[in-house]
Amino acid sequence: KQEVTQIPAALSVPEGENLVLNCSFTDSAIYNLQWFRQDPGKGLTSLLLIQSSQREQTSGRLNASLDKSSGRSTLYIAASQPGDSATYLCAFDNAGNMLTFGGGTRLMVKP
Amino acid sequence: EPEVTQTPSHQVTQMGQEVILRCVPISNHLYFYWYRQILGQKVEFLVSFYNNEISEKSEIFDDQFSVERPDGSNFTLKIRSTKLEDSAMYFCASSEEGEKPQHFGDGTRLSIL
Repeated sequence: KQEVTQIPAALSVPEGENLVLNCSFTDSAIYNLQWFRQDPGKGLTSLLLIQSSQREQTSGRLNASLDKSSGRSTLYIAASQPGDSATYLCAFDNAGNMLTFGGGTRLMVKP
Repeated sequence: EPEVTQTPSHQVTQMGQEVILRCVPISNHLYFYWYRQILGQKVEFLVSFYNNEISEKSEIFDDQFSVERPDGSNFTLKIRSTKLEDSAMYFCASSEEGEKPQHFGDGTRLSIL
């Protein structure tokens, strides 16, 4: 059974800082990995999807990487802004269309 | 940009009552999902649906739960006899294909009294 852990649970940084969010997983037999953003009281916004055969994906200031051998994925946010404040979730699809989520990292970017 | 819409945004129901949560997935998507998030806990998979049948379901999705696509646009989750522990945020999601990104709605907050 896939276990997904996100550390730290909460992170506070000043505006402009580059930061890395971590996600670790136990079962490397994955189809893909998705990173999401969740704003308070809202749904999940898909940020990036990495297929099992890929190592990274980039979208704007975001870069996500996948290392199956070490059971880790990272989400890199460049030049953070207050609008990036949200909870960031990683999720893995192991069995075809069933996502297993981590507990999230709550990010606060201070102006 | 097309989005997944869910209604109602908040549902309050007495324990033991039936509840139906409604979702309109993105129009050209073929795969549909329900997830739930109990307050303070992880998002959990409930069920996936493709080609008018359930393709995967979790241990949470017991006989009290059912899903239906009654017409070409709606996708519903029914809880037959609600329990206090069913209180959670329920998210609907859809994807174009099985390995494409899943897109989520804003959720329905279900409160069981």
